[in-house]
Amino acid sequence: NAGVMQNPRHLVRRRGQEARLRCSPMKGHSHVYWYRQLPEEGLKFMVYLQKENIIDESGMPKERFSAEFPKEGPSILRIQQVVRGDSAAYFCASSPPGRERGEQYFGPGTRLTVT
Amino acid sequence: GEDVEQSLFLSVREGDSSVINCTYTDSSSTYLYWYKQEPGAGLQLLTYIFSNMDMKQDQRLTVLLNKKDKHLSLRIADTQTGDSAIYFCAEDPSGAGSYQLTFGKGTKLSVIP
Repeated sequence: NAGVMQNPRHLVRRRGQEARLRCSPMKGHSHVYWYRQLPEEGLKFMVYLQKENIIDESGMPKERFSAEFPKEGPSILRIQQVVRGDSAAYFCASSPPGRERGEQYFGPGTRLTVT
Repeated sequence: GEDVEQSLFLSVREGDSSVINCTYTDSSSTYLYWYKQEPGAGLQLLTYIFSNMDMKQDQRLTVLLNKKDKHLSLRIADTQTGDSAIYFCAEDPSGAGSYQLTFGKGTKLSVIP
């Protein structure tokens, strides 16, 4: 059973460009979470999605950031008009349906560098 | 301030025990977690403890929970060089079924051969 997959692993964008980060959850998992990790910091929750639904986006900046988890295909975190402060590691996690605790399985992350 | 606090660094000799400490603020947290992050990798769930327990042992890992003081610790027995990593404490502040984990900044464990 493959783990959570994220691509690309490293992404370099110039200021003003768009960044698209992809996450394929573990097989059988229908819940996806995105976290951001700034240098020397812990992970900060951004958004929680189920298939075709955003459940909680309270941790996501209101502007330039969006997330989706379509019926088919990976979850996408999209950052428009990137700025240097967006440079961070972005982690995706997934969990199976019907779980009773916050046991989340993390992907290897996408390290975004904005130049 | 941070909801979950950890010391940033810990250095131990190979074969010794390591103790990583964490304090949290939300008394309604139902589950508390320890994750391990190796360089350039994602987080790996090591263990978790339910809030009605005060100790959990899993092979070389022992988790102690003092709910009164909101203090959590992770003890690694017979620490090996492969244990060198960053260890994150995380709480589940909204109770069972919550999804929005709150992480500390992580403790970097260095194991000296």
